[in-house]
Amino acid sequence: KAGVTQTPRYLIKTRGQQVTLSCSPISGHRSVSWYQQTPGQGLQFLFEYFSETQRNKGNFPGRFSGRQFSNSRSEMNVSTLELGDSALYLCASSLSDGSTDTQYFGPGTRLTVL
Amino acid sequence: AQSVAQPEDQVNVAEGNPLTVKCTYSVSGNPYLFWYVQYPNRGLQFLLKYITGDNLVKGSYGFEAEFNKSQTSFHLKKPSALVSDSALYFCAVRDGTGGYQKVTFGIGTKLQVIP
Repeated sequence: KAGVTQTPRYLIKTRGQQVTLSCSPISGHRSVSWYQQTPGQGLQFLFEYFSETQRNKGNFPGRFSGRQFSNSRSEMNVSTLELGDSALYLCASSLSDGSTDTQYFGPGTRLTVL
Repeated sequence: AQSVAQPEDQVNVAEGNPLTVKCTYSVSGNPYLFWYVQYPNRGLQFLLKYITGDNLVKGSYGFEAEFNKSQTSFHLKKPSALVSDSALYFCAVRDGTGGYQKVTFGIGTKLQVIP
């Protein structure tokens, strides 16, 4: 099976712009989670979707939003970009919404805000 | 609230020596514990997980981890380190009690295997 794919792999934006990142989960996986990774903070949880419903949300401002489509693909959007939003954004998929499920990660989208 | 601590920013070990990457956790219910590895410019790769049962869990690439409930620890180990094991390692926990909980990751430990 193909792994988790994320597009684009690299993005450069300027402050104030908005950006949309895309994640395609492993075929058959219905749960998608998003994380922000920065050197000083490690992985910070953004949100998690299962069957088009947001199950959990991390402590990020409302500028960060996401959604999941009926085919389980997910997008996250960041509006009014700030310099501090520069990070690696990782998407992970899992089979269902079970607590024992393993998350499988995509390669990430490297966002640079200038 | 659940949390994970990885007390060492970096671990250096000589090739062929045993390695240990430490992880302690805090959850109010039953812990589900995970280890992931990240190579440069890559996403995280799953190594192993503990859900229940045997306290010694074996995973990919010769890694294993020991769950210790009394010490709330889940240290990652490998009997003989390889240079190719050099990477960033993340421990993660999910509270398995009281409904669906998010996964919390540690800040990561950089493993450097010296030839």
